[in-house]
Amino acid sequence: DGGITQSPKYLFRKEGQNVTLSCEQNLNHDAMYWYRQDPGQGLRLIYYSQIVNDFQKGDIAEGYSVSREKKESFPLTVTSAQKNPTAFYLCASRNPLTGASNTEAFFGQGTRLTVV
Amino acid sequence: GNSVTQMEGPVTLSEEAFLTINCTYTATGYPSLFWYVQYPGEGLQLLLKATKADDKGSNKGFEATYRKETTSFHLEKGSVQVSDSAVYFCALSDSSGYSTLTFGKGTMLLVSP
Repeated sequence: DGGITQSPKYLFRKEGQNVTLSCEQNLNHDAMYWYRQDPGQGLRLIYYSQIVNDFQKGDIAEGYSVSREKKESFPLTVTSAQKNPTAFYLCASRNPLTGASNTEAFFGQGTRLTVV
Repeated sequence: GNSVTQMEGPVTLSEEAFLTINCTYTATGYPSLFWYVQYPGEGLQLLLKATKADDKGSNKGFEATYRKETTSFHLEKGSVQVSDSAVYFCALSDSSGYSTLTFGKGTMLLVSP
């Protein structure tokens, strides 16, 4: 079955550590996105990528980094510079490259990151 | 820039009651509009969408009509069930070439038996 997979489901990080969240899709989608979800704040865009080897900052990119070396994969690194990283992180993908506005995004099941 | 405004929740209803969740938007051009649903601890699932003015999206008894004159896309269901309890997000995608999805803050729906 085609879909988008995030791992791990739960992640614990000590202060000062970098952690990487995985996102893989087999939908052959060109565009991939990372959102952060906090209670009462909805979804906020961290980074997005429209094509391999290219990505753009979203609204809250500070303290995060991404790579897009393969079409299927878009990992997110939460660095020690992110001051309040505890949140629910959602990855999504979408097609086509031309950005037709009527195509919906498909979401993974999310990763809950907690700083301990 | 683009924005989506949803009514604040939680919305609390009894089973079989009528549901309305309001959504209004600001966008350039002719955006597409979406409703997503999120069950506890899960990702978002597409519930319905509409891509042009006066289109009605529908799925699982839920409906929403794209009203360009009022820039609205209100979600309705005639008779809610306990299993409809979830968070509902309204979203838009504008017609630019490299658009992203803009989401509202979400509305929690709680349905009691």
